[in-house]
Amino acid sequence: GENVEQHPSTLSVQEGDSAVIKCTYSDSASNYFPWYKQELGKRPQLIIDIRSNVGEKKDQRIAVTLNKTAKHFSLHITETQPEDSAVYFCAASNTGGFKTIFGAGTRLFVKA
Amino acid sequence: NAGVTQTPKFRILKIGQSMTLQCTQDMNHNYMYWYRQDPGMGLKLIYYSVGAGITDKGEVPNGYNVSRSTTEDFPLRLELAAPSQTSVYFCASSSSRQGGTTGELFFGEGSRLTVL
Repeated sequence: GENVEQHPSTLSVQEGDSAVIKCTYSDSASNYFPWYKQELGKRPQLIIDIRSNVGEKKDQRIAVTLNKTAKHFSLHITETQPEDSAVYFCAASNTGGFKTIFGAGTRLFVKA
Repeated sequence: NAGVTQTPKFRILKIGQSMTLQCTQDMNHNYMYWYRQDPGMGLKLIYYSVGAGITDKGEVPNGYNVSRSTTEDFPLRLELAAPSQTSVYFCASSSSRQGGTTGELFFGEGSRLTVL
C-alpha cells in the first residue's frame, strides 16, 4: 500500500523567512497530493493541493511542487507569519481518492 | 450547513468497555472516513465508505467496526476498548465526481478518547 514520508518533523523559522516541507510517496498510482494545516486543538483543513498532471501550483504565499518521476512533492511558504505556526500534513491518494494516506506531519514554528 | 459533526467530543472508557463514536454530515457526500491521530503523529485511516451499505478497511482497522446505513451517518464502534485505542478520532467526508472523489477531505472537530 501507499506510504508517505514527511520531513522535517519540526521546523523553526524567523518571521519573514521561507519554509519548505518535503514529502515522498511510494505508490506510483497516486495522483492527488493535498496539504492540510492543523492548528492546535483544531481539525485539519486543506490549504492547497496538486494533481499529477501539474508540476507546480501557487496560491498567494504558498506553493506546492510535484516531481512524479522521483515521487516527491514539497510545500513552500514564503514571507512566513506567526499565524502560519501549525502542524502541516502532506498526503497522497489515487484516482479514486478512497484512501488518502498522510505523512507524519511537520510542526512549524514562526518566531516573531 | 453544519458540515461534519462528531459526538461525543470527549470520552473516558475503562478497559474492556465498548462505545460508538457518532458522525454525521449534511453535505450529501458519498465518501466518508474515520481517522485516528496519536500525539505527534499523522492521521491513520481506520475505515472508509464509498456509499451507503459499502465499507472497507483502512490502515489500522483492528479493534473497530463501522456501518453505513445512510448517506449522512457513519458511526465507528469500539469493542473491548484497550489503552492502545487512546487517541483523537476524526471523521471526514468528501464529495464525488465521475471517476471518483474530488479528494478534499472535510473533517469533523474530533473526538478525544481515553482508555484507562
